Amino acid sequence: AQSVTQLDSQVPVFEEAPVELRCNYSSSVSVYLFWYVQYPNQGLQLLLKYLSGSTLVKGINGFEAEFNKSQTSFHLRKPSVHISDTAEYFCAVSDPGSSNTGKLIFGQGTTLQVKP
Amino acid sequence: GAVVSQHPSWVICKSGTSVKIECRSLDFQATTMFWYRQFPKQSLMLMATSNEGSKATYEQGVEKDKFLINHASLTLSTLTVTSAHPEDSSFYICSAEPRDKSYEQYFGPGTRLTVT
Repeated sequence: AQSVTQLDSQVPVFEEAPVELRCNYSSSVSVYLFWYVQYPNQGLQLLLKYLSGSTLVKGINGFEAEFNKSQTSFHLRKPSVHISDTAEYFCAVSDPGSSNTGKLIFGQGTTLQVKP
Repeated sequence: GAVVSQHPSWVICKSGTSVKIECRSLDFQATTMFWYRQFPKQSLMLMATSNEGSKATYEQGVEKDKFLINHASLTLSTLTVTSAHPEDSSFYICSAEPRDKSYEQYFGPGTRLTVT
């Protein structure tokens, strides 16, 4: 079964510094990959997704992620973070070959703490 | 656009009673809606997938008689927790997939259920 591992449970970083949130998935077969952000007491918001094509995906709020098939990774990056980026970030994967293509498998989440 | 609402946002109920949670797609039609459960500081776990007009598909380990899902229209799905117990206390989140946009889910803000 597919699984997603987010290697860091918490990432503290100073404002305006770059950040990388790591995500690895288990299967080497074709997958769709997603990053979501969850602000306190709110639902999840899609940051970006990879379905096919260019391995570098740009999303909202200045985030980008790179799909690396050989390393089964989809790390999220931002060159300069703001205080407002403080939130929980979830990596998720779905299987385009399954009967339920919308089924998302989520990682454990990474708390990004941006300090002034 | 692409707003999903949940009602109520939080609810407290007594053990043994039933609670209904509504999930609505406000500005789009959703053929598929998903129900997730999120424990504190943990990831989202898919409970079930519901398609408009048909029975929900439950994930392994989720009791379908306890968590009743109805997807009566293209904009409304409901989750009823029957005979709730304290261990059912959790954050329940729904998402909706637009009928004209595969592989994109829009999440509701969640419902906090506390069973006393």
